[in-house]
Amino acid sequence: GENVEQHPSTLSVQEGDSAVIKCTYSDSASNYFPWYKQELGKGPQLIIDIRSNVGEKKDQRIAVTLNKTAKHFSLHITETQPEDSAVYFCAASSAGGYQKVTFGTGTKLQVIP
Amino acid sequence: EAGVAQSPRYKIIEKRQSVAFWCNPISGHATLYWYQQILGQGPKLLIQFQNNGVVDDSQLPKDRFSAERLKGVDSTLKIQPAKLEDSAVYLCASSLYEVRLTDTQYFGPGTRLTVL
Repeated sequence: GENVEQHPSTLSVQEGDSAVIKCTYSDSASNYFPWYKQELGKGPQLIIDIRSNVGEKKDQRIAVTLNKTAKHFSLHITETQPEDSAVYFCAASSAGGYQKVTFGTGTKLQVIP
Repeated sequence: EAGVAQSPRYKIIEKRQSVAFWCNPISGHATLYWYQQILGQGPKLLIQFQNNGVVDDSQLPKDRFSAERLKGVDSTLKIQPAKLEDSAVYLCASSLYEVRLTDTQYFGPGTRLTVL
């Protein structure tokens, strides 16, 4: 089955700096890569996603890049704010008969004011 | 639009007891998922339904876990009997389209289970 590795496990940045989280996946058939933000006591919330036919996608301060050849994808957050502090999960979805999403282990991001 | 509802939010039980969790997905969503999230880890899929049929339960410990989605709407997840290692947050999610399509999953707040 799919295996998703995520680094780093914790990340501290100063407010206004950029944050980068990296993930690798094992199944070359995966074609959908969502990123989720999970705040304390809440369920994960989708913040951005990318499909395998696209190399980069941006939404205001967040962007995701995908390298299909190397089987890795990254989340970039620019101009970080204290409200960006949360746990971020990458995920990969297989392209088989039905969607099956495998999550990474998470990155706890702390933005220091 | 109302989100995914789950209850209870917290549950504490003794090992070998039984427990049930309830989920109400977003109205009209065809697919429903149950995930187990152990502290410090990402969610792990337990079972997914399309309408009221099971699509994938390959990671569900069927000797103690069961789930159903009656009438293709609400769903319950049951653990009987519970073990210490079942302590986790149980997340329910739903998505609009059938499982054959990659689609945004909307998560509920989860039920935090503590087994003593």
